[in-house]
Amino acid sequence: KNEVEQSPQNLTAQEGEFITINCSYSVGISALHWLQQHPGGGIVSLFMLSSGKKKHGRLIATINIQEKHSSLHITASHPRDSAVYICAVLASKIIFGKGTRLHILP
Amino acid sequence: SAVISQKPSRDICQRGTSLTIQCQVDSQVTMMFWYRQQPGQSLTLIATANQGSEATYESGFVIDKFPISRPNLTFSTLTVSNMSPEDSSIYLCSVSGLFYNEQFFGPGTRLTVL
Repeated sequence: KNEVEQSPQNLTAQEGEFITINCSYSVGISALHWLQQHPGGGIVSLFMLSSGKKKHGRLIATINIQEKHSSLHITASHPRDSAVYICAVLASKIIFGKGTRLHILP
Repeated sequence: SAVISQKPSRDICQRGTSLTIQCQVDSQVTMMFWYRQQPGQSLTLIATANQGSEATYESGFVIDKFPISRPNLTFSTLTVSNMSPEDSSIYLCSVSGLFYNEQFFGPGTRLTVL
């Protein structure tokens, strides 16, 4: 079993829909990252969380340390949000999930 | 934050050749890393690039195949040697901030080996 599991693996939605991507992990961590990877391959860090909730524009990230779970939400989704979203946890080393491929249809 | 550039952004190479990827950071950083992302897979750490000394390789990666240089605190290179089609991946340079919790990634180099 992977130490970091993301769901869903793939998600297609209509423009404007509310999107939720989930990340569960099985190790003790000091922080969790949500990353965005566009088709060209480059990765952008969206959030780094160690507790609670963070918001940036239409993006919201939450983490529950006790339940070892984090969610990334996108409100009013737009085709430009189409990308792979990767959850990464900082344990003794950084462990990456396999990513969730999001496709927003216009 | 740190701004990272990588060259080349993509390349198509023949089997048996080698490719050197460059990573340049706009500020001095302590920790630099090289990752590989094979198609459909999560990122895998290849090695930590140490300034002025040999890189620290993760299990499954060896210096002969992936030689790394880091001559100063803002620059590193990764060479993929004697390439085979299995080396087709995205290679990413990454740096960590002062408190390690911050992680910044370069734009990646998409390598295809024929």
